[in-house]
Formats: sequence, C-alpha cells, structure tokens
Amino acid sequence: QSVLTQPPSVSGAPGQRVTMSCTGSSSNIGAGHDAHWYQQLPGTAPKLVIYGDTNRPSGVPDRFSGSKSGTSASLAITEVQADDEAYYYCQSYDSSLSGWVFGGGTKLTVL
Amino acid sequence: EVQLLDSGGDLVQPGGSLRLSCAASGFTFSNFAMVWVRQAPGKGLEWVSSIFGGGNDPKYADSVRGRFTISRDNSKNTLYLQMNNLRADDTAVYYCAKGRGMMVTEYHFDYWGQGTLVTVSS
Repeated sequence: QSVLTQPPSVSGAPGQRVTMSCTGSSSNIGAGHDAHWYQQLPGTAPKLVIYGDTNRPSGVPDRFSGSKSGTSASLAITEVQADDEAYYYCQSYDSSLSGWVFGGGTKLTVL
Repeated sequence: EVQLLDSGGDLVQPGGSLRLSCAASGFTFSNFAMVWVRQAPGKGLEWVSSIFGGGNDPKYADSVRGRFTISRDNSKNTLYLQMNNLRADDTAVYYCAKGRGMMVTEYHFDYWGQGTLVTVSS
C-alpha cells in the first residue's frame, strides 16, 4: 500500500463543496515536508493543482484549495463541477525513504 | 511553452532492456531536476527515479534500484531512463516530469509528459 493514505472515493453534487484527505507520517507530511496535489483526468497525464500545501499554479481555479495540519493534508473543491470528476493524488517527500511518495489516489465522482 | 515528449515504450520480454527518452523544450533544461513517475494499469502513481539539473545525485525507488539508470544530456535537452532486467511488475505508463522547488522536501512536479507505455510480457 501507499505511504500516503487517501480515501478511495469521494462524491458530491454539482455546486457542493467536497474535501479529500491525505494522511502521512512523521517522515513525510508530519515532518513539515510540503504536500502537493495532482488531478488526473481519464487517459491523461497528471496535472498539478496545489503545491506547497496551499498554493495554486497559474490557471487553476480558486475553487481549489489546500491545507495541512499535523501528519495530514487536505484538498477542498468548492462549487464542484462535472469536469472536476477525476482522480486526485497527493504527494510529498519522505525522509526515511529518501524519495518522493504519492497517495493511492481518490476518485471524485460528481453526482 | 513547456513541453515534455516521452518516447521509447514498447513490448519487451521479461529480463529484457529498454531505454526511455523525454525531450524537453520551453525552459532551461539544465536548471531543473527531472523525474520519472510510473503508473501500472488501473493503479496509482509511483515515483521511480530523479536526477538534478547538473546530472548529479540520481535517486531511485527501492523497486527499481540496481536495474534502472537515469541520465540526462543537457546539450540535447533530453532525459533518459535505461531499464534492464525488466519484470512483469514494471509494466506501466512511464511519465517524465519537471521538478520544481528550492529544496528536495519542497519538490513538486509542475509539467508532465504524455506518458509512454512499457509492457513486460512473454
């Protein structure tokens, strides 16, 4: 299983707010290492949506936001839309492994 | 515009070798770390290997260490992954990605290639 733990799925109706979590440990997120989030639409490469815990790359809507507390990080999407339906992966650096780690991914379903 | 073009994926027998390439454009290639990330069919993302801008300090996931070698040619703006002794569980789409961050603990991957499929099967 993945070093970072994500729920397999979350869902929400259009216009609602959804959140998803990413739980790590004292060697990654809990050590203060940055958490980042990627969106992967079907059949496409991942796209960065949040970096450095809370920052949005240019072009990512402000409906996407990130937060971090302790050993966990979270991604929130407000006013969720049909084209937000995708897999979302969190990522951080792990000091024990001396490498970068991903969560197992969360599938967002827009009802 | 930043572009990363992955290539080299193919069907290969167990124990075989393959070299992947990633042609980069739209940024100063030598200034940035680059990584390979793979995704097995129906599975999540797995960091495979990384190399800093100067070609130093290559890093590998435990699953590929000793079998894969990452390298780069800054004069050609190209990243490589030499994969030897391939196994069935290496079957995946392999993505190259551009690293960004001041320190390794901050590194994230802001641009990705389209991916190239490696299938290891007899």
